[in-house]
Amino acid sequence: EAAVTQSPRNKVAVTGGKVTLSCNQTNNHNNMYWYRQDTGHGLRLIHYSYGAGSTEKGDIPDGYKASRPSQENFSLILELATPSQTSVYFCASGEPGVQNTLYFGAGTRLSVL
Amino acid sequence: GEQVEQLPSILRVQEGSSASINCTYENSASNYFPWYKQEPGENPKLIIDIRSNMERKQTQGLIVLLDKKAKRFSLHITDTQPGDSAMYFCAASWTGGYKVVFGSGTRLLVSP
Repeated sequence: EAAVTQSPRNKVAVTGGKVTLSCNQTNNHNNMYWYRQDTGHGLRLIHYSYGAGSTEKGDIPDGYKASRPSQENFSLILELATPSQTSVYFCASGEPGVQNTLYFGAGTRLSVL
Repeated sequence: GEQVEQLPSILRVQEGSSASINCTYENSASNYFPWYKQEPGENPKLIIDIRSNMERKQTQGLIVLLDKKAKRFSLHITDTQPGDSAMYFCAASWTGGYKVVFGSGTRLLVSP
């Protein structure tokens, strides 16, 4: 099965601070995604990438940046963290095409105080 | 649009009965519809999927139906067990696109 590793698993940040969430996948998938999960909203797409060097805005990109320096790594960056960004963040990888099955990491629980 | 609507948000059933979750999608180009199950504290995992060239798919107590005309698809869990209690997400994607759009989730609670 696809291996997607997120770090850190838990993070407490202060308002206005910078936060970087990291994701690594070892299955050579072209696509990588960042979602946040909040009660009542399900999984909402923040940013995605279709290969090294590419980043695309998802449905809720405001306040977030992304970086895809290599096929394996995809980071989510909160330059100025706010309490509204307290959430659980999931990274996922997959292949484009007719069957775009996603493989999720274990998630990062972020609290911004 | 690209939204996927999912209902109900909470579903309570008795052990041994069936459970049904319904989703509708907006993007007519959608041709792949996966379902994910998320246990408490875990990540979502694929449990069953259906492509647009099918109307029905069944595996291990799970049935997925797809009505392309109505842009509707559904998950049916037969003979529910306490272990089926979890969050379930439907999703939609399309060939040539990179996005996978999720519904808002259904929390299924199976009581003994």
